[in-house]
Order: sequence, then structure tokens, then C-alpha cells
Amino acid sequence: AQSVAQPEDQVNVAEGNPLTVKCTYSVSGNPYLFWYVQYPNRGLQFLLKYITGDNLVKGSYGFEAEFNKSQTSFHLKKPSALVSDSALYFCAVLKLHDMRFGAGTRLTVKP
Amino acid sequence: SQTIHQWPATLVQPVGSPLSLECTVEGTSNPNLYWYRQAAGRGLQLLFYSVGIGQISSEVPQNLSASRPQDRQFILSSKKLLLSDSGFYLCAWGPGTGFYEQYFGPGTRLTVT
Repeated sequence: AQSVAQPEDQVNVAEGNPLTVKCTYSVSGNPYLFWYVQYPNRGLQFLLKYITGDNLVKGSYGFEAEFNKSQTSFHLKKPSALVSDSALYFCAVLKLHDMRFGAGTRLTVKP
Repeated sequence: SQTIHQWPATLVQPVGSPLSLECTVEGTSNPNLYWYRQAAGRGLQLLFYSVGIGQISSEVPQNLSASRPQDRQFILSSKKLLLSDSGFYLCAWGPGTGFYEQYFGPGTRLTVT
């Protein structure tokens, strides 16, 4: 079965600095990869997805993600972090109806 | 535009009591519908999904059941709650089979006491 791993429980960055949230995946066949963000006591919000095409995918709120097939990675990035980006971030891989989520990475952006 | 609703937002129920959580979607037809549980604010576990009225697939054997009585309505139920059923329950919809993202509702916080 497909799976994703988010190796960092917590990422701390200073406001204005670039941020990276890491994700690696395991799936047979072509990977369909997603990033979601969750604010406290809220549902998940879709940020971006990779299906095919350019390895750099742009999404909502200035986020982007880089697909690397050789490293089986799909890291989430943002050039300049905002305090309001502080939240829980989930990477996910989809096969048919089965969306498998990582354990999540808590991002804290300090002023 | 599409909107997904869940209610109630929070629920506190004693062990052994029944459960009914409701999810409805507006602005789309024949969506795929999903129930997830999130424990301790972390990873999500897919519980059920449905590709049409009356069609329910269960991913994990458990104390819960799901039903889809109408095209845009998805209900999560239990006859007798366990302490381990506590968690954050999320409903989601997707536009079809394939490589589509899922859109999540606001969630229901269930505490079983």
C-alpha cells in the first residue's frame, strides 16, 4: 500500500525566512501527491497537488512544492514565512479512493 | 461553489450511548464522500468512503458504521460508543475517482466519557 513519511514533527522558522516541510513517499506506479494545512480545531485545507508535468508545483498562499522522483520526495516550500503560516501540515498520497496522510508536521513561525 | 457542512461541531457522549454525525455537501452532484478520524491532532485514518447512494466501503473494522441515504448526505453512526471512539471526525468530498483532491468539512470533536 502507498504511504508518506514526514520526518519532522516540528519545524521552527523566523518570519521572513524560507521554510521547508519535508515529505517522502512510497507508492507503486505514478504518485499523486498532495499538501494540506490544518489550523486548530478546523478541517484540512487543500494547498497544492502534483499529478504530472512540472516538478515545481505552485499552490495557495504562496506555497510551492518540489517533486523529486529519484529521491521519492515532495517537499513543501515557501520563500518567505509569515507568522500566520503557523499550523499543522500534512502530506498525502492518493491511489484510487485511498488517500494516505503523513503524521503531520507542526510549523511554527516566530516574529 | 461547493460547501461541506458537518454537525454537530462538538459532542460529549457517555460510553454505551449511540452516535449520529451528519455531513452534507452543497453545490455538486454525485460526489465521492469520505469519513476520517483524526486522533490526538495528528494523522488521519480513513474510516469509510462512498461513491454513490447506498454504496459504502469500510476501510477499518470498528465500532462504527456509515450510510448514504441521499446523494449529498453522509452519516456516521454507532450503536454503542467506546472510550476509544473519541477523536476529531472529518468528512470530505471529492469530485470523482482519479487524482482529485478531497475537500474537508470543519469536523466534529467527539469526546466519549
